[in-house]
Amino acid sequence: GAVVSQHPSRVICKSGTSVKIECRSLDFQATTMFWYRQFPKKSLMLMATSNEGSKATYEQGVEKDKFLINHASLTLSTLTVTSAHPEDSSFYICSASKAGVSPDTQYFGPGTRLTVL
Amino acid sequence: GQQVMQIPQYQHVQEGEDFTTYCNSSTTLSNIQWYKQRPGGHPVFLIQLVKSGEVKKQKRLTFQFGEAKKNSSLHITATQTTDVGTYFCAGRGNQGGKLIFGQGTELSVKP
Repeated sequence: GAVVSQHPSRVICKSGTSVKIECRSLDFQATTMFWYRQFPKKSLMLMATSNEGSKATYEQGVEKDKFLINHASLTLSTLTVTSAHPEDSSFYICSASKAGVSPDTQYFGPGTRLTVL
Repeated sequence: GQQVMQIPQYQHVQEGEDFTTYCNSSTTLSNIQWYKQRPGGHPVFLIQLVKSGEVKKQKRLTFQFGEAKKNSSLHITATQTTDVGTYFCAGRGNQGGKLIFGQGTELSVKP
């Protein structure tokens, strides 16, 4: 199997606070993890790509100081939204690619809905 | 930059009718993938196509990769209510770069 979990599934926070989202590959080692943002009725927007033990690669227009990514192990990546504002409210989804499988085959987590008041 | 366009954006069909979504890239792709996202859910990988002209089938779903590796299609025969969801294609250019997702085609099926 290739199961990816995310925690929390939903979070509501006040403006100015920071929120951490965890992404775990439960039954495999993830060579690479990806973080996406999805707006209602919209496609997935890749925010960053991370490999274990190295700095994440951020897509153009994504503030690295605002969206902190830590990839501590082959099964865990975290995304921290710092000083969150209402415009950061969105559905954040992580995915992971698996060793031995095409690196473009991604297994998605269930997503985290962030609401910033 | 590379763009991946999907049409149609929405498709409403009667149960039993066929459905097709098309994916077009502005550049030649090294591969293309298809994902399905149920309402309220997350994308689930369906298939990856790599070879020019490749056709793959999964039960009632037929996936095709164009000869020029710039377009792809997903065809569902005799839709069922369980087919409801948004279907995304995603492709990576031949020159590398990031995986680009299409905008998705939202399928609704009327029983």
